[in-house]
Amino acid sequence: GQQLNQSPQSMFIQEGEDVSMNCTSSSIFNTWLWYKQDPGEGPVLLIALYKAGELTSNGRLTAQFGITRKDSFLNISASIPSDVGIYFCAGRGETSGSRLTFGEGTQLTVNP
Amino acid sequence: NAGVMQNPRHLVRRRGQEARLRCSPMKGHSHVYWYRQLPEEGLKFMVYLQKENIIDESGMPKERFSAEFPKEGPSILRIQQVVRGDSAAYFCASSLLAGVSEQYFGPGTRLTVT
Repeated sequence: GQQLNQSPQSMFIQEGEDVSMNCTSSSIFNTWLWYKQDPGEGPVLLIALYKAGELTSNGRLTAQFGITRKDSFLNISASIPSDVGIYFCAGRGETSGSRLTFGEGTQLTVNP
Repeated sequence: NAGVMQNPRHLVRRRGQEARLRCSPMKGHSHVYWYRQLPEEGLKFMVYLQKENIIDESGMPKERFSAEFPKEGPSILRIQQVVRGDSAAYFCASSLLAGVSEQYFGPGTRLTVT
């Protein structure tokens, strides 16, 4: 089945720093989504990407749909303590219908 | 403007009992998806349903698990004769349309099998 490799697994940064994380796939995806999950809660949608090369921002967050359609990255600028959480990429492949494949997550810790 | 609702939030069952998890999609959404999350892992797709129809159940175990989304009422994920390995967080998501539409998640049900 389809798999997503998400890196890094964890990050420890100081408040104010910028953060970057990415996902790669061995097969082509036609949709990329980025979610954030807080402890004990469900994933919250941050950004959705639908076209190769697309670059989309949501406040301090910016995500891009890779040209090859096999990767995506998420940047967080000027991190703040409430950015702490687990960030997941999710993708929808050409043959996967409506189901999403999730990466393993990036645990972000922000030190004040 | 309620989002996706799931209940119960926490469920404890002994081995061999049945677990029923409920999901009410966002208002106006008729597509429902169930995912399972083990500790320290990402979410794994289980099943996709529209009203009264199972569209894709490729991620759901063939035995003991079933799902429905009746014409009236919430979607139900049912696990019969639970085993310890069923302990996980189960998330429901809904979308307005099929295909490329964005999926919005509920808070999840944490199932613990003792």
